[in-house]
Parts: sequence; C-alpha cells; structure tokens
Amino acid sequence: DARVTQTPRHKVTEMGQEVTMRCQPILGHNTVFWYRQTMMQGLELLAYFRNRAPLDDSGMPKDRFSAEMPDATLATLKIQPSEPRDSAVYFCASGLVIGAGLQETQYFGPGTRLLVL
Amino acid sequence: LAKTTQPISMDSYEGQEVNITCSHNNIATNDYITWYQQFPSQGPRFIIQGYKTKVTNEVASLFIPADRKSSTLSLPRVSLSDTAVYYCLVVFNDYKLSFGAGTTVTVRA
Repeated sequence: DARVTQTPRHKVTEMGQEVTMRCQPILGHNTVFWYRQTMMQGLELLAYFRNRAPLDDSGMPKDRFSAEMPDATLATLKIQPSEPRDSAVYFCASGLVIGAGLQETQYFGPGTRLLVL
Repeated sequence: LAKTTQPISMDSYEGQEVNITCSHNNIATNDYITWYQQFPSQGPRFIIQGYKTKVTNEVASLFIPADRKSSTLSLPRVSLSDTAVYYCLVVFNDYKLSFGAGTTVTVRA
C-alpha cells in the first residue's frame, strides 16, 4: 500500500529557529504539493513541483520559506527563521499527471504538526 | 477573485442522502473538479473527480451542470463514519489551484 510519508510528524520549536520538513512522495508520482492548514485559513497551497521543477510557489512567503526537490524521492520545506504565525499542520501530497490535464488525484501524507513558540 | 464557495456545515442522520454544493465561477475550461474527505488528524483523501455531467463510484456521485460553475457531491445513505470535512478542489482560469473552505458534515444516529 503506497503512501506519502512525512517527517517529523510533530515539531515544537522556538521563534527564530530553522525548521525543515521532509516528504517522500509515492514512487512514480511526478507531482508534489505542499499545503498549510490552519483553522483560520483552511488548506492553503504553498508550492508544487512537477518532475522536480517548481511550477507555482506563489502561496509561499518567499522571505522565510523555501521548497526544494533534491531528487525524485525527497521534497523539503524549510522555514528560516520561524515565527509563531507559522504554527500549522503542513501537508505534502503527491500525484501523477498523465497527459495535458492540470489536475491529478492527490495523495496526502499524514502531515507535520508545527508549533512555534 | 476566483474562489470556491461551500456551505460551512451540514447535519444529517444515518441512512439519509447528503448533497454538498460547491460554487466555482471561474473554473478553467479544461480542468476537472475533485472532492476530498478529511478526518481529524489525517490528510485529505480523494473521493471522486469529474469534468461534466455525472460521475459515480462506490462511495459517492458527482453532478456537474453544463456551465460547470458549480458541482454537487452526493453521499448516499450516510453512516456515522461519514462524519468528516469535505472539500472541493478546482483549478481556475489563472491556473491557480484552490481548495474550498470545507463543509463539515455531521451524521447523527
């Protein structure tokens, strides 16, 4: 049963510290998404990659957030420096695009619950 | 500003049909509409996807009118385990992908 894995599952840190979240997409999937979920804002798309190239990162605060895909099996989301307002659940999802369609079925990981004090 | 609109919450009883409508006025011409289900402390899970007319699978049906400015997720004969948050997801003409705010469905015995 292929699944998206995310580490860590929980992270508590202090304001100003660097936070790195990792995601292993489902093997063979060519699209990776990063979302942030809060009670106030709901599910927000931060960035997504197709074939490891960033397609859209307009939802991501550029001054402190960065997303990369060093290889096809790993996606990372970094926050530096972290702030209390970054506290949220961060989800990674992967999918497989076939053809010219813009949207694929996304398979979500369990999320990283981040608390910045 | 393109956005999706869903009811905040819906209550139902076991065995009833639940219909959730999502409005999406500026949906991209060639893109699909997808619905996801989310339980507490879990990531969203795919339910159903469609482009137009009606799509049915083992858990739900999706109705999309010809103008595609809305879509309705239909959950037949809900049970207590269907209590969850339901999201519609579309891509708009500016190629922005957007989840709705979610509809909390509560099923009571």
